[in-house]
Amino acid sequence: AQSVTQLDSQVPVFEEAPVELRCNYSSSVSVYLFWYVQYPNQGLQLLLKYLSGSTLVKGINGFEAEFNKSQTSFHLRKPSVHISDTAEYFCAVSATDTGRRALTFGSGTRLQVQP
Amino acid sequence: DGGITQSPKYLFRKEGQNVTLSCEQNLNHDAMYWYRQDPGQGLRLIYYSQIVNDFQKGDIAEGYSVSREKKESFPLTVTSAQKNPTAFYLCASSIEGVDTGELFFGEGSRLTVL
Repeated sequence: AQSVTQLDSQVPVFEEAPVELRCNYSSSVSVYLFWYVQYPNQGLQLLLKYLSGSTLVKGINGFEAEFNKSQTSFHLRKPSVHISDTAEYFCAVSATDTGRRALTFGSGTRLQVQP
Repeated sequence: DGGITQSPKYLFRKEGQNVTLSCEQNLNHDAMYWYRQDPGQGLRLIYYSQIVNDFQKGDIAEGYSVSREKKESFPLTVTSAQKNPTAFYLCASSIEGVDTGELFFGEGSRLTVL
């Protein structure tokens, strides 16, 4: 079984500042990794994903994440945030060799961008 | 446009009543999922179905039931046995042949028990 830990429940940041949202996972096998964003009262939208290859993954809206296998981390970063980035962000993992393909999600990080 | 449609968006029910949440997709995806979202707890898997006429329990299936009679539809019934049903419910689907687990989500249904 796998699990995901998002270390910060809330991250306040000023507009145009950089931000990092932290995600660590636990799994006994290789994994696929995802970041999703959720705006209030809406579903989740995929930001980016790591399946294989380059450990630096670029996504939509200027976000990127780096897969670090030795530290079992997949932190999300953006060099300069906008007010519109205010939302909840979820890290998720699926194991590569399981018959159960459902994603396991972290508890979420609420990004609050202030003017 | 292709996508996942959940209805109703908001639903109120009295204690002791069953309620069914609808989920329809026109993405031609094989697999469908129901997640429950509570503040500070992320998303927890209720049920999933990888093929028509087959489904499996997730991590919190007690008090819920599902059916998968058609590829496009995966309704969730919240029964009176569910002790704390007030939550935001999300339906999702994935491409069965692409074995990564990537999910596509609907807009969600918010259930409030009065």
